[in-house]
Amino acid sequence: GQSLEQPSEVTAVEGAIVQINCTYQTSGFYGLSWYQQHDGGAPTFLSYNALDGLEETGRFSSFLSRSDSYGYLLLQELQMKDSASYFCAPLRTNTDKLIFGTGTRLQVFP
Amino acid sequence: GAVVSQHPSRVICKSGTSVKIECRSLDFQATTMFWYRQFPKQSLMLMATSNEGSKATYEQGVEKDKFLINHASLTLSTLTVTSAHPEDSSFYICSAGTSRSGNTIYFGEGSWLTVV
Repeated sequence: GQSLEQPSEVTAVEGAIVQINCTYQTSGFYGLSWYQQHDGGAPTFLSYNALDGLEETGRFSSFLSRSDSYGYLLLQELQMKDSASYFCAPLRTNTDKLIFGTGTRLQVFP
Repeated sequence: GAVVSQHPSRVICKSGTSVKIECRSLDFQATTMFWYRQFPKQSLMLMATSNEGSKATYEQGVEKDKFLINHASLTLSTLTVTSAHPEDSSFYICSAGTSRSGNTIYFGEGSWLTVV
């Protein structure tokens, strides 16, 4: 089986930094992906961690601790366009299907 | 640009009819594609894994006779919602990956289905 925990909602102001946490339980673990989805749109890939540590991609970074079954997505210099839902999705193998949790809805205010 | 394309983006059909949604990988071959459904303000729910040249693998609780999946080529998978009912109205999204993309999965633009 698999379980995922993310905060349901996070709010912040423009320019701020936000961290979205994800804890997971899976029968096997290969890596952790993060996706962004705007209302009415399809998910888009943000970041992926296979190893412990921080992966940085522009304003977005993702962290993984395999021993803690924990990861987070860090969004810096928040912009209004970052208002969206964010999903973490663990992969059990390198060809595994993506199973999404309920996601975190981020609202950025001016 | 998009690497996975879906068609149609929006469709309205009458109750009892069938609707086909296409998912194409544009510049890579996808032996596996995935179909998701998403109701408003809810998460994406995996419906099935579409396997090229073989039967699809359905997730628990998804009716395989209602949601027919065909993956006849390495670039095309289709989802047919048969005998559609208003409760089937939803956002349907496909996804596919490629060994070139590592562990990145690309999603299609999604298809809004409204059954009236």
